[in-house]
Amino acid sequence: EVQLVQSGAEVKKPGESLKISCRASGYTFPSYWIAWVRQMPGKGLEWMGIIYPRDSETNYNPSFQDRVTFSADKSTNTAYLHWSSLQASDSAIYYCARHPWSGYSQIDFWGQGTLVTVSS
Amino acid sequence: AILLTQSPSSLSASVGDRVTITCRASQDTGRSLAWYQQKPGKPPNLLIYDASNVQSGVPSRFSGSGSGAVFTLTISSLQPEDFATYYCHQFNSYPHTFGQGTKVDLK
Repeated sequence: EVQLVQSGAEVKKPGESLKISCRASGYTFPSYWIAWVRQMPGKGLEWMGIIYPRDSETNYNPSFQDRVTFSADKSTNTAYLHWSSLQASDSAIYYCARHPWSGYSQIDFWGQGTLVTVSS
Repeated sequence: AILLTQSPSSLSASVGDRVTITCRASQDTGRSLAWYQQKPGKPPNLLIYDASNVQSGVPSRFSGSGSGAVFTLTISSLQPEDFATYYCHQFNSYPHTFGQGTKVDLK
């Protein structure tokens, strides 16, 4: 059974750094692209970009390019989303998700989401 | 980036109604379009991929059609568990984009 299990909710202050995780199981982690998707409170879905764990190739949405970093650890089947300096506007639910065939395919499995709250 | 515009943004319907949601793209996306259902507090769930292929396990009352720049999601007979928000998603080019969502609620 394919599962993407994300790390728990976080409460941070502006300017702090944060790395959230997404642990995959039930499939060959290196072979499938992982996307990160943002959902701000009461709003729609925003595709932030993707990473290919086999070689850590990435493609960032220009809207997020300078704000976040994707990484992946094949030894632990885990993908990460990192901020070096959070802003209040980063408060949202963040989903990791799997593209089944390539970076140009639909999303077939989603993590449960990680709620990030940034407040002074 | 390709802009996806869904219509309507919200609709009220009754159990048993036929519901159609449209997704219009600002550029040709071929058939590289998917539809998702999202319920409050849950991640989205894939319904349709490649414009018209029904994902395994999804009830047959859900169908998709279209190509190029205009796509539709149809629910043939709305069931109580179908009240939710629906999103289209284009994966033809980077960055992928989503429509703004269509909320289906009870009339």
